[in-house]
Amino acid sequence: GENVEQHPSTLSVQEGDSAVIKCTYSDSASNYFPWYKQELGKGPQLIIDIRSNVGEKKDQRIAVTLNKTAKHFSLHITETQPEDSAVYFCAASRGNFNKFYFGSGTKLNVKP
Amino acid sequence: GAVVSQHPSWVICKSGTSVKIECRSLDFQATTMFWYRQFPKQSLMLMATSNEGSKATYEQGVEKDKFLINHASLTLSTLTVTSAHPEDSSFYICSAPTPLAGIYEQYFGPGTRLTVT
Repeated sequence: GENVEQHPSTLSVQEGDSAVIKCTYSDSASNYFPWYKQELGKGPQLIIDIRSNVGEKKDQRIAVTLNKTAKHFSLHITETQPEDSAVYFCAASRGNFNKFYFGSGTKLNVKP
Repeated sequence: GAVVSQHPSWVICKSGTSVKIECRSLDFQATTMFWYRQFPKQSLMLMATSNEGSKATYEQGVEKDKFLINHASLTLSTLTVTSAHPEDSSFYICSAPTPLAGIYEQYFGPGTRLTVT
């Protein structure tokens, strides 16, 4: 089965700095890679996703890059704000209504 | 956008009793739903895939007789934790893929906090 590894487990940045979270996956058949933000006591919220036919996707301050050859993908948050503080999870899936495999999560702390 | 709801949002029960958690897709039909369990400060672990009109598919290590899943309709899946014990205390989250977003994206419910005393 798929194995998704995520680093770092915790990340502290100063407000306005950039944050990068990295994930690797093992199943070459995975073709969909979403990123979720989870606040305490709530369900995960999709913030950005990427499919295997593209290498990069951007949405305002958030971007995701994918390297299929190396089987890794990364989340980039620029100009971080205190409200970005949360736990972020990456996931991998084969699409077609298939199940998600989640990374272990990264707790991001943005200091004002 | 598509919305997935869960009920209750939190529940406290005594050891040995059973608890039912509902997952509903509010504005779309979901032939498949997924149930996850999340322990404090840990990731989401898939428990089972709920299929409308057929039996659920359980992940390795998940006791199907303890975690009963019923996909009663195209908008409702239920997870019943039978004979609950303190170690079953966790955050239970469901998700549903929606054709509205193609075949990839899934929407997650807000979660149900179960505490077994």
